[in-house]
Amino acid sequence: AQSVTQLDSHVSVSEGTPVLLRCNYSSSYSPSLFWYVQHPNKGLQLLLKYTSAATLVKGINGFEAEFKKSETSFHLTKPSAHMSDAAEYFCVVSDRRSGGSYIPTFGRGTSLIVHP
Amino acid sequence: GAVVSQHPSRVICKSGTSVKIECRSLDFQATTMFWYRQFPKQSLMLMATSNEGSKATYEQGVEKDKFLINHASLTLSTLTVTSAHPEDSSFYICSARASASGFSYNEQFFGPGTRLTVL
Repeated sequence: AQSVTQLDSHVSVSEGTPVLLRCNYSSSYSPSLFWYVQHPNKGLQLLLKYTSAATLVKGINGFEAEFKKSETSFHLTKPSAHMSDAAEYFCVVSDRRSGGSYIPTFGRGTSLIVHP
Repeated sequence: GAVVSQHPSRVICKSGTSVKIECRSLDFQATTMFWYRQFPKQSLMLMATSNEGSKATYEQGVEKDKFLINHASLTLSTLTVTSAHPEDSSFYICSARASASGFSYNEQFFGPGTRLTVL
């Protein structure tokens, strides 16, 4: 069985300071991992994905994440927060179920608040 | 890039009526589409997985007779909320997984969502 834990429901930073959004996962096989961002009343936009290639993944808008198998983590970071980064962020693990299909599981989400 | 559309974006209906939501992959073929439900300030809850030409697979606790899913073509899946009640009010989001080469086999592309309000 797979699961995703986003350790913080809210993260508050000042504009220009680093961002760290934490995600831990459990999976029976070699999972694919994703980070999505959702602005209010909008759909989801893919920030980045890990699919068993390089462990340090660079995404859009200056975000990146590092896959650490030993720690079962896939934390999202950004060196310098911008006001437009304020949104809800979801960590997603996609693993193969017993029937062979890949089914995604969402974390509960982390709300990023950016102060001027 | 791969684009997924949903229609309508917003719908208000009376209790007891049925509502159909369409999910379309605009520039790619999708053998698999997913339907999610999202309550305010909460995460996405997977309702069902829809495979083209076959019956949908529903997650535990989701009523298949309440939420009818049809995936008749490689670019269209529909979700029909039958006999809607106020507790069905929610944000419904679909996603599509591409079947062609050039796409990561496990990546989903999300629609913009449909806000359903049942009075």
